[in-house]
Amino acid sequence: AQRVTQPEKLLSVFKGAPVELKCNYSYSGSPELFWYVQYSRQRLQLLLRHISRESIKGFTADLNKGETSFHLKKPFAQEEDSAMYYCALNTDKLIFGTGTRLQVFP
Amino acid sequence: GAGVSQSPRYKVAKRGQDVALRCDPISGHVSLFWYQQALGQGPEFLTYFQNEAQLDKSGLPSDRFFAERPEGSVSTLKIQRTQQEDSAVYLCASSSLVPPLTNEKLFFGSGTQLSVL
Repeated sequence: AQRVTQPEKLLSVFKGAPVELKCNYSYSGSPELFWYVQYSRQRLQLLLRHISRESIKGFTADLNKGETSFHLKKPFAQEEDSAMYYCALNTDKLIFGTGTRLQVFP
Repeated sequence: GAGVSQSPRYKVAKRGQDVALRCDPISGHVSLFWYQQALGQGPEFLTYFQNEAQLDKSGLPSDRFFAERPEGSVSTLKIQRTQQEDSAVYLCASSSLVPPLTNEKLFFGSGTQLSVL
């Protein structure tokens, strides 16, 4: 079965603390994974893709096929990072996880 | 406008009513998706158009749901005889790319929040 699991509904940290948003997937083929972000009152937008191996707004995510994970990390959280984060598996359509709300307190 | 536009922004319907949700994709975008996002959930795929052709409707939950894109631009999602479980945010997304690259550059609209009373 094709599935994306985000075990945390809410993650709260203080500004400057490290952040890790967890994502695990189930997929029989070669996976392609994305992280999407939705800031308050804004539309869903792509944050990063694993194939790009890029760092966007200080966030990185590494695909670990052995652990079937694609956790999103940032070493020092900022208040403006507060948002909903969705992990998504790319098949011919996107399969999204249930999302994690990140709250960064000052 | 430069982005994907959806209307109405909010829709309240009485159970049993028919509703129509509109999506204006980015001009020239070939691919168009509809997703349904229930409260506390991630978006779930409903249907996919390439130009005017509906190539995948496997995500439509019942035959009460119908989508069309007759001229390959604007799309309408119609829900007949709405039920309370249809309450959700309906998201439209478009891309200039076609499969298998479609999701490499996908732009989402702000969604229509449907509440069925």
